[in-house]
Amino acid sequence: EAQVTQNPRYLITVTGKKLTVTCSQNMNHEYMSWYRQDPGLGLRQIYYSMNVEVTDKGDVPEGYKVSRKEKRNFPLILESPSPNQTSLYFCASSLTGRQPQHFGDGTRLSIL
Amino acid sequence: GENVEQHPSTLSVQEGDSAVIKCTYSDSASNYFPWYKQELGKGPQLIIDIRSNVGEKKDQRIAVTLNKTAKHFSLHITETQPEDSAVYFCAASSEDDKIIFGKGTRLHILP
Repeated sequence: EAQVTQNPRYLITVTGKKLTVTCSQNMNHEYMSWYRQDPGLGLRQIYYSMNVEVTDKGDVPEGYKVSRKEKRNFPLILESPSPNQTSLYFCASSLTGRQPQHFGDGTRLSIL
Repeated sequence: GENVEQHPSTLSVQEGDSAVIKCTYSDSASNYFPWYKQELGKGPQLIIDIRSNVGEKKDQRIAVTLNKTAKHFSLHITETQPEDSAVYFCAASSEDDKIIFGKGTRLHILP
């Protein structure tokens, strides 16, 4: 079954404590991306990757890092989380192009 | 840059009736228009898309229309069913592949 898997699904943590949200896809897709979803603001792209070792900023990259060492994995790293990063995060993948075809089920982050 | 407006923000329709959600975009270079359905606790799911060289596309009970001149596109759901209740997002993407989403429409199907 085609899947994008995110972990954890829920996380409550404190300001400044580094955290990583993992994302893995089993479709051999080249393109992966991260989004955050906030009420009234819709989905906004954080970072994207067109292939292994190729990453680029989306619309709201401040405070986030990503890496793409393997085709299937695209972790999202918050080095020093702050309360304004409390949000619902989605990882997505597509065979080609930045337009997402498959989304994970989301990670709800609460930064206290 | 691109801006996508989506209306209405909430829509309630009687089961069996049709639902229409409308989006407008600002960048005339946009050439790809996907629609996503997001159910509670799930990620968005791509349900239909259209490219700018096509005016209409259908897939069973859902259809999308595109008016390039007016820069608007619409999602039509016919014979609505309870499982159609969800949040729907439109999006627009241009040659550089950047994608901008509308803010979503919460569709309620009333029994």
